[in-house]
Amino acid sequence: GAVVSQHPSWVICKSGTSVKIECRSLDFQATTMFWYRQFPKQSLMLMATSNEGSKATYEQGVEKDKFLINHASLTLSTLTVTSAHPEDSSFYICSARAVEGSSPLHFGNGTRLTVT
Amino acid sequence: GQNIDQPTEMTATEGAIVQINCTYQTSGFNGLFWYQQHAGEAPTFLSYNVLDGLEEKGRFSSFLSRSKGYSYLLLKELQMKDSASYLCAVSDSNYQLIWGAGTKLIIKP
Repeated sequence: GAVVSQHPSWVICKSGTSVKIECRSLDFQATTMFWYRQFPKQSLMLMATSNEGSKATYEQGVEKDKFLINHASLTLSTLTVTSAHPEDSSFYICSARAVEGSSPLHFGNGTRLTVT
Repeated sequence: GQNIDQPTEMTATEGAIVQINCTYQTSGFNGLFWYQQHAGEAPTFLSYNVLDGLEEKGRFSSFLSRSKGYSYLLLKELQMKDSASYLCAVSDSNYQLIWGAGTKLIIKP
């Protein structure tokens, strides 16, 4: 089946530093990848849609200059949390479809970010 | 606006059957998904319905009625490992996923 790999699984960083999270589709090509954030006991929140070769589409309220997304190839998208603050501590999850349209989203294992 | 409703929490007994309901109002419809999410983990795909009726997959079944904007996930022979959140999501006319808030299912021995 379609596999999405996300790295790192967890990261602890100091306030003001930047953190990069990688999302790879291992056995399929993904022109579109999705980045979600989930706070404890809350639902998934779509942050942005990452488009290969073009700019990401950000959801309302998500700062594009703070959450930098790069989708340089058909198998890799990265999310960089710049100048992280404690309120950015969350569970970040990427996902992709093996086939465009209404095929299921396959999720990476998520990255738990803790900003101290 | 677009809306997905599902109960916040449900409790069931090991070995029993539980039905988790989901109602939706979306701009267009291109299918409904159910995902399972264990605490601290990413969601995993359970089922997809695009036509009316029941889809059975082992202990899990999912039902859809498009005219009623309604779906349910049926879990049979409940096991302790089924304790998780169950997320309902609808693909709208633009193939964007609209997510429900999830139903936390607690299984008691």
